[in-house]
Order: sequence, then C-alpha cells, then structure tokens
Amino acid sequence: AQKVTQAQTEISVVEKEDVTLDCVYETRDTTYYLFWYKQPPSGELVFLIRRNSFDEQNEISGRYSWNFQKSTSSFNFTITASQVVDSAVYFCALSEGGSGGSNYKLTFGKGTLLTVNP
Amino acid sequence: KAGVTQTPRYLIKTRGQQVTLSCSPISGHRSVSWYQQTPGQGLQFLFEYFSETQRNKGNFPGRFSGRQFSNSRSEMNVSTLELGDSALYLCASSRLAGRADTQYFGPGTRLTVL
Repeated sequence: AQKVTQAQTEISVVEKEDVTLDCVYETRDTTYYLFWYKQPPSGELVFLIRRNSFDEQNEISGRYSWNFQKSTSSFNFTITASQVVDSAVYFCALSEGGSGGSNYKLTFGKGTLLTVNP
Repeated sequence: KAGVTQTPRYLIKTRGQQVTLSCSPISGHRSVSWYQQTPGQGLQFLFEYFSETQRNKGNFPGRFSGRQFSNSRSEMNVSTLELGDSALYLCASSRLAGRADTQYFGPGTRLTVL
C-alpha cells in the first residue's frame, strides 16, 4: 500500500528565512508520480509541481525548489526567502496505479502548516 | 480557462438528511475525483469517475455515492448524514485518468452536519 509521511506538522519562520518541507513516501510501484500542493486559508488545493519516478533532476522555479531522491524515498520542497503570502498548508501526494485509469488515486500526506511571520 | 467549480460552497444539514454536491471540471477534462478532508483523517480519496464510469472507490460506506454525466460534470451524494460526515469535500479534475495526470482542485464544499 502506498503511504506519504510529512513528519513536520507545523513550521513557523520569520519572513525572508528559507524553509524546507519534508516528504517521505512508500510505494511498491516502479513507476509513480509525486506532487506538491498548497492549501491557503481559502481551502482550494493549488498544484505546485509534479515529478515522475524516472526523473530525479531537481528543479528550481523562482523561490521554490524541489529535491527528489529515490534512494531515500524523499521529495522535499524548499521555499527560499519566504514571504507572508507563503503561509498555507502544504501537501505532498503520491500517485500510482494501473494503466488505463484503473486504481488511480492520489494519496496525500497529513500536510505541513507553514506560518511565515512578518 | 475556468477552473474547477463546486456548488454549493457551504451547506448545513442535520443528521439523517441527505445531500448532493456538484462539481464542474475544467473544460476538456474527463476525469473527476472526489476527496474528503477532515482535521483528523486528512485528505481521503472517495471515488474517481472517467467517461461516466466509476473507476476507483475509496474506503467509505455505501452512503457515499457519485455519478458523472456525459458532459463530465459530477455529483456526489451522501445519504443518512452522520455528524462525522462534516468535512470539506474537494473535487478534482484531470484531462485523462492516469497516474501521470495532474489533478486540479476546486474550492470545495464545506458540509456541516448538526
């Protein structure tokens, strides 16, 4: 069975600090996809990034960067120079399942509440 | 392109009643998934529909059901509501129904059962 663990339940930082959110996953599949979503107080889950299990190249997008390591089953997310608007709950998710759509679903971690204080 | 829309945004019901929630996917998306979010259990998968067929179902009782229409719009129904059904119900759509497809979420329907 697939599982996603976000060990940090809450993180509080001061604006302009860098912050890393941890995600560890478990899966038996060799092909799978990992996602990060952000949920601001409004409630809507906002897609941030998707990574497939064959692509371990780390990515930087503006102030965001992601570190995917298959050897440790981790998919960590870093915000550089955090801002108050980054305050939200961040979810890591794992997608696996058969081809053609059967048994396809997202399994989410419990989320990390990030609070960025001015 | 308009995002995923969900109606209503808020609902208050009493125990024993039933409720229907609606979801309109992003134009061109054919897969719709539903998730329940509660403080205790987090985000849990309810079911997924593609081309009007339920492809996958989470571990929820039969009181939770859904359907998808030919225009890809989806509804979920919860019968005989219980206090524990109070939650944020999120709908997500994706272009197809594969593990590689990104799911885009709507704003959710917050259901309160009294």
